[in-house]
Amino acid sequence: AQSVSQHNHHVILSEAASLELGCNYSYGGTVNLFWYVQYPGQHLQLLLKYFSGDPLVKGIKGFEAEFIKSKFSFNLRKPSVQWSDTAEYFCAVADDMRFGAGTRLTVKP
Amino acid sequence: DAGVIQSPRHEVTEMGQEVTLRCKPISGHNSLFWYRQTMMRGLELLIYFNNNVPIDDSGMPEDRFSAKMPNASFSTLKIQPSEPRDSAVYFCASSSPGPDTEAFFGQGTRLTVV
Repeated sequence: AQSVSQHNHHVILSEAASLELGCNYSYGGTVNLFWYVQYPGQHLQLLLKYFSGDPLVKGIKGFEAEFIKSKFSFNLRKPSVQWSDTAEYFCAVADDMRFGAGTRLTVKP
Repeated sequence: DAGVIQSPRHEVTEMGQEVTLRCKPISGHNSLFWYRQTMMRGLELLIYFNNNVPIDDSGMPEDRFSAKMPNASFSTLKIQPSEPRDSAVYFCASSSPGPDTEAFFGQGTRLTVV
């Protein structure tokens, strides 16, 4: 089965800082990838997804991710974070909806 | 659609008791996933079904855990007997047919075994 790995366990940023969270996947063939967000005390919600086409994917709330096949990566970015972005972020592969370990983002006001 | 519905939202039980968690997927979805989330282990995929058939149960921690999907609109995750280390939030998710669909999550069941 495919797997994903997230290297950043906890990221702390100040408001307006830029964000990049890493996600690497294990399989070199056709791959479909997601980023989900989990706000404190809530369930997971989809941020964005990549299936084909433009490798730069734009999602909700100003988030985007770039699929780089040569690097097996699908990193999540946001140019300027807000306090309300404080949450846990999960990368997932569509094969069997297996998730990475998650990255906890804390944005300081 | 009301989304994925899980019940109960909270469950507190004594060690040794049987616990049954329930999930109603979104109508028309043919894949269903059960996850367990803890601080220590993160979000673990326990089992997933496709067209009511279990496809991969390699994430089920041990024989005390079992899952069923008797029809397209209902699934259960049972723990018998429960142990304190089973305390976690259990999520159910479903997705529709096709290669480009995402999973929709329920609100989760917070299980506490004392």
